[in-house]
Amino acid sequence: DQQVKQNSPSLSVQEGRISILNCDYTNSMFDYFLWYKKYPAEGPTFLISISSIKDKNEDGRFTVFLNKSAKHLSLHIVPSQPGDSAVYFCAASASGNTGKLIFGQGTTLQVKP
Amino acid sequence: EAGVAQSPRYKIIEKRQSVAFWCNPISGHATLYWYQQILGQGPKLLIQFQNNGVVDDSQLPKDRFSAERLKGVDSTLKIQPAKLEDSAVYLCASSLSGQETQYFGPGTRLLVL
Repeated sequence: DQQVKQNSPSLSVQEGRISILNCDYTNSMFDYFLWYKKYPAEGPTFLISISSIKDKNEDGRFTVFLNKSAKHLSLHIVPSQPGDSAVYFCAASASGNTGKLIFGQGTTLQVKP
Repeated sequence: EAGVAQSPRYKIIEKRQSVAFWCNPISGHATLYWYQQILGQGPKLLIQFQNNGVVDDSQLPKDRFSAERLKGVDSTLKIQPAKLEDSAVYLCASSLSGQETQYFGPGTRLLVL
């Protein structure tokens, strides 16, 4: 039962262009969503999050959009840089669930110079 | 501020052997998590501690996996006996009190032959 899905295993974009990573979820109890970034041989690092009371959250080059009716969120990176090349995980949690995170499978982003 | 420490970084064992992983969370973090990340998948929560008590171990295969956090700081995760399907990266994470951002260690990569 995959409650959080990232259907694109990989994405390749040109430096300076926009990267859009997508994530879908099935559990309507999820009310907090996060994106983590992972470099090889390192643990995931927190990137950006969004509460279900919002539909957009922005932090520098990173923006997360949430569409609750479609149970869909996306991460936009503008402009993309070669250092953004990594695996990106979407994660979700439900309030009152002590912070338990359910992760998607990850999307590998390659930004070409 | 020191991050989450894990050791060893790599371990190769034969099936039916036992193995133990160690985690030292960020100082002051009450909540500690162990995740299993199989190749091509996102991290899956195995067990969550709040101080030295277990909050969630619903996905821990208790017939072979055990974990403890005796003094509410360091934690160990043990597998006995190991199976081929236990080959994965074992990630430890910590957070201040369970509802905040989780910070991950670099992980222990286990290969069971």
